[in-house]
Amino acid sequence: AQSVTQPDIHITVSEGASLELRCNYSYGATPYLFWYVQSPGQGLQLLLKYFSGDTLVQGIKGFEAEFKRSQSSFNLRKPSVHWSDAAEYFCAVGDSWGGSYIPTFGRGTSLIVHP
Amino acid sequence: DTGVSQDPRHKITKRGQNVTFRCDPISEHNRLYWYRQTLGQGPEFLTYFQNEAQLEKSRLLSDRFSAERPKGSFSTLEIQRTEQGDSAMYLCASSLGVAGETQYFGPGTRLLVL
Repeated sequence: AQSVTQPDIHITVSEGASLELRCNYSYGATPYLFWYVQSPGQGLQLLLKYFSGDTLVQGIKGFEAEFKRSQSSFNLRKPSVHWSDAAEYFCAVGDSWGGSYIPTFGRGTSLIVHP
Repeated sequence: DTGVSQDPRHKITKRGQNVTFRCDPISEHNRLYWYRQTLGQGPEFLTYFQNEAQLEKSRLLSDRFSAERPKGSFSTLEIQRTEQGDSAMYLCASSLGVAGETQYFGPGTRLLVL
């Protein structure tokens, strides 16, 4: 079975500082990988996804992630964090279910942004 | 495009009661998904529909759970004889139904079983 590990439950950064959220996956073949963000009272929003091709993926809100097969990682980065980035971040790996790819989510990393 | 909507947003019920949640997907989306999210965890897949056909169900979907999408538009998720362990956020998502498509999530229904 596929799985995702997000080793950091909480991350605290100062506004304007850079950010890296870690994600490691377990999957036998080339994975479909996703990062989602969940803000209080809001639905999950897709930040970016990797299916194939360039291993550096650009997403919305200034986020990017790099797929590293040798490390089974898909870490999320942002060069300068804004206070509005405070939220819960979920990494996910796509699992095939009857013709659709269903994300299997990690437990999430809570991002706290200090002014 | 008004996004995915869910109703109600919050539900408090007593153990043993039945509850029903509704999800209205984005209008042109033919795939609809249900997930459950417990506190401190990521969402877990429950089931999904392609139009009105329920294509997959996870082992999390016990016999007390039933989902329908009768006309291929909105969907309902019913939990019978609720248990305290059913307390969670129930999320709905929809997508266009092509490989690798993006799922768009609703705000969720938070269920508390007393």
